[in-house]
Order: sequence, then structure tokens, then C-alpha cells
Amino acid sequence: DQQVKQNSPSLSVQEGRISILNCDYTNSMFDYFLWYKKYPAEGPTFLISISSIKDKNEDGRFTVFLNKSAKHLSLHIVPSQPGDSAVYFCAAEETSGSRLTFGEGTQLTVNP
Amino acid sequence: KAGVTQTPRYLIKTRGQQVTLSCSPISGHRSVSWYQQTPGQGLQFLFEYFSETQRNKGNFPGRFSGRQFSNSRSEMNVSTLELGDSALYLCASSPAREGLGETQYFGPGTRLLVL
Repeated sequence: DQQVKQNSPSLSVQEGRISILNCDYTNSMFDYFLWYKKYPAEGPTFLISISSIKDKNEDGRFTVFLNKSAKHLSLHIVPSQPGDSAVYFCAAEETSGSRLTFGEGTQLTVNP
Repeated sequence: KAGVTQTPRYLIKTRGQQVTLSCSPISGHRSVSWYQQTPGQGLQFLFEYFSETQRNKGNFPGRFSGRQFSNSRSEMNVSTLELGDSALYLCASSPAREGLGETQYFGPGTRLLVL
């Protein structure tokens, strides 16, 4: 039972354009959501998070949007840079526990 | 502040052996969680320790165990290794403040290869 899903295994965008990565979840108990960036053979690097009491959170070039009614969140990267090329994981957590449930990841490639 | 550190970074074992992995959390972080990443199953939660107690556990067999010491450092042990245990094992730490969504910060991982 995949409670967090990232339906796009890969995404390719041009440098300077917007990258939009999507994530859907099924567990209504999730109330904290995070995005991580990962390179092969390294640990995930935290990018940005959002609590279920908000619908948007911004940090520099990264913005996360949460639509609770649709159980959907997205990560926007503007402008995209070649250094953003990596696998991006969406993760979700219930406040009651320190247990992250991850999506399958989306490979983002930003072309110069 | 130093990040999460994990040792060793790489390990090769044979089937039937056991292995112990170590994790040192970020200073001041009291919760340590372990995850397994494999190509087929993605990133999966193993267990979480807080105040030297296992607080949360994923769906892994009893061959996977862990512990946490009074300084919050944690170890993970896998006994009777199987080929399918080959994976990247990741440790993450968080401050463990009550009632708040917590960001977990990951170490670089230990790459285990079972032959």
C-alpha cells in the first residue's frame, strides 16, 4: 500500500524555467510534509517542508504547495539551475511519530 | 554544527554474517531514525529511537535491531545477512520536540553489499 506516490519517475526542464514536481498521498493522518533532494550514494538533503495548517511555504527558489482536500502537494523550483539535477523525494509524517513515509522519487534533469 | 555522521561508509559481508552500523546524530538531537534504501523498495523506515528506547518500528523482520546510547548515538544491527539486505542504510536525526512536525536530517549512509 503506497501511501505517498510520485507518479512521474522523471522530469526534464530547461535552465531558467520552472520545475514542478508532484506528490499525492492517501493517509489523512499525515500532517507534515517534506521535500528532499538526493544524489546517488548520498543521504537525502532537506529542502523545504510544510505543515498541514498552511497551503504554501517559500524558501528562496523553492516553494511547496499543499492541497489538503486533494491530498496533493507540489514543489516548484524557479528558476531551475543545472545544479538542481537530482532525485527529489516527497515525504510525509504524522505528528504523533517520527516516521517518514517516502514517495518513489522523481529524477529531475535541468538542461543548460 | 556538524551533520549526521555514519560509519562505516561501505561494507562488504557474506550471507549468514552479521553487521553493526553506527550513527552519530547532530548535536542536541535526541531522536534517531534508520531507513533502508533499495532500488526495488525505495526508502523504507526501519525504526526510531528516543531516550534510549525504540519508539517506532517499521515492517522489517526481527533480524534488524538497534539501540541508542545515553549520548543519543545509535547503532543498527542486522543478523544472519541475506542477499536482499544489500542496500544503502540511512540514519536521520531530529530534535524531538513534542507536538511539532519535525524535520529529519540525514547522514551520508552506509552502503552494505552482501555476497
